[in-house]
Amino acid sequence: EAGVTQFPSHSVIEKGQTVTLRCDPISGHDNLYWYRRVMGKEIKFLLHFVKESKQDESGMPNNRFLAERTGGTYSTLKVQPAELEDSGVYFCASSQETRDRGYYGYTFGSGTRLTVV
Amino acid sequence: AQSVTQPDIHITVSEGASLELRCNYSYGATPYLFWYVQSPGQGLQLLLKYFSGDTLVQGIKGFEAEFKRSQSSFNLRKPSVHWSDAAEYFCAVGASSTRYGGSQGNLIFGKGTKLSVKP
Repeated sequence: EAGVTQFPSHSVIEKGQTVTLRCDPISGHDNLYWYRRVMGKEIKFLLHFVKESKQDESGMPNNRFLAERTGGTYSTLKVQPAELEDSGVYFCASSQETRDRGYYGYTFGSGTRLTVV
Repeated sequence: AQSVTQPDIHITVSEGASLELRCNYSYGATPYLFWYVQSPGQGLQLLLKYFSGDTLVQGIKGFEAEFKRSQSSFNLRKPSVHWSDAAEYFCAVGASSTRYGGSQGNLIFGKGTKLSVKP
């Protein structure tokens, strides 16, 4: 079974540019989550999709961040325009919908390291 | 609100020595509890988890953790550390009940404990 796939693995962009991160969840996983870890801080929840719908986006830091999940499959997270404080590692996770309140089979991707210079 | 505390930012142990990483949580009921490891350049790998049942949980790579309700703790242990265990370890909790807050499926992480292993 393929795991959660994220790309790119690394991205270096200039302040003010746009970057799009992609996450492919495990096939059949309805739940998809985005998290990020900025330097020296804890890993923080950004948002949660159930299929194509946003279930919870309370962790999105501001309106420069836009997440989509086309057809309930893969998801993209766009940062536009990027700021220096957006640098960090962005993780995606997926899980099955119905068991254990969404924690069953919870699997993380390897992350995208974003550096804004 | 849920919270997770990992009081040790950095721990150094000698290879072959035992290890215990501490984790305390705040939640109105027994949460879902997880330990993850992140090796340099790698993603988050699940070591073990506790949902219910036996409070001593066995995980991968020889790790175990014990849930202690009275202490709101879920400490991670390993009897003999190997050099390859050098990594950063994260404790996380998930909301097991809407009654006590928290959104379904979201994880709250501690700040992590970085483990260094001396030869």
